[in-house]
Amino acid sequence: EVQLVESGGGLVQPGGSLRLSCAASGFTFSSYWMHWVRQAPGKGLVWVSRINSAGSSTTYADSVKGRFTISRDNAKNTLYLQMNSLRAEDTAVYYCARNTGGDGTYPNFDYWGQGTLVTVSS
Amino acid sequence: SYELTQPPSVSVSPGQTARITCSGDALPKQYAYWYQQKPGQAPVLVIYKDTERPSGIPERFSGSSSGTTVTLTISGVQAEDEADYYCQSADSSGSYVVFGGGTKLTVL
Repeated sequence: EVQLVESGGGLVQPGGSLRLSCAASGFTFSSYWMHWVRQAPGKGLVWVSRINSAGSSTTYADSVKGRFTISRDNAKNTLYLQMNSLRAEDTAVYYCARNTGGDGTYPNFDYWGQGTLVTVSS
Repeated sequence: SYELTQPPSVSVSPGQTARITCSGDALPKQYAYWYQQKPGQAPVLVIYKDTERPSGIPERFSGSSSGTTVTLTISGVQAEDEADYYCQSADSSGSYVVFGGGTKLTVL
């Protein structure tokens, strides 16, 4: 059974940093592109970032470029999102999601984690 | 930046057909995908590559595409279909993923 379990969310002050983790199991993690998607309270889904299966190529939404870094450790079956210079507008539930079919030719998501809440507030 | 446009809300009675549209300039070049999200839950993929239905998704869910608009159709709507629905695609380069703003489906 495919499972994605996020962790690392919490309350952080504006300007602070946080690292999210997503532990994957039930599939060959190293064969799949992975993504982070966020959802502010009461709002819609917003794509944040993606990483290829080897970890050698990354893409970011303009809203987080230069502040967030996506990475992965295929030996540990874990996806990460390092978030720096956090702002109030980064407050959201952050989901990790698996790209359907493995590679990123057709970006879409067949499995999602349960999400982890990040709150940026003083 | 590239945007996908959905109606904020759609309402139907049980047993009727619900249609949710999604418009975007790159949709003739990029596939569209649809997700269902119920309160407090992660999204679930219900349509991929414009018209394909993942295993386990009821046959009443279907997708279609025409030019710059894609449509999610739910035939014979049931109370359990009440949820938020999001379309998703990519920009013309395929590099950036985009979601529509979401449509709240209310079953009257």
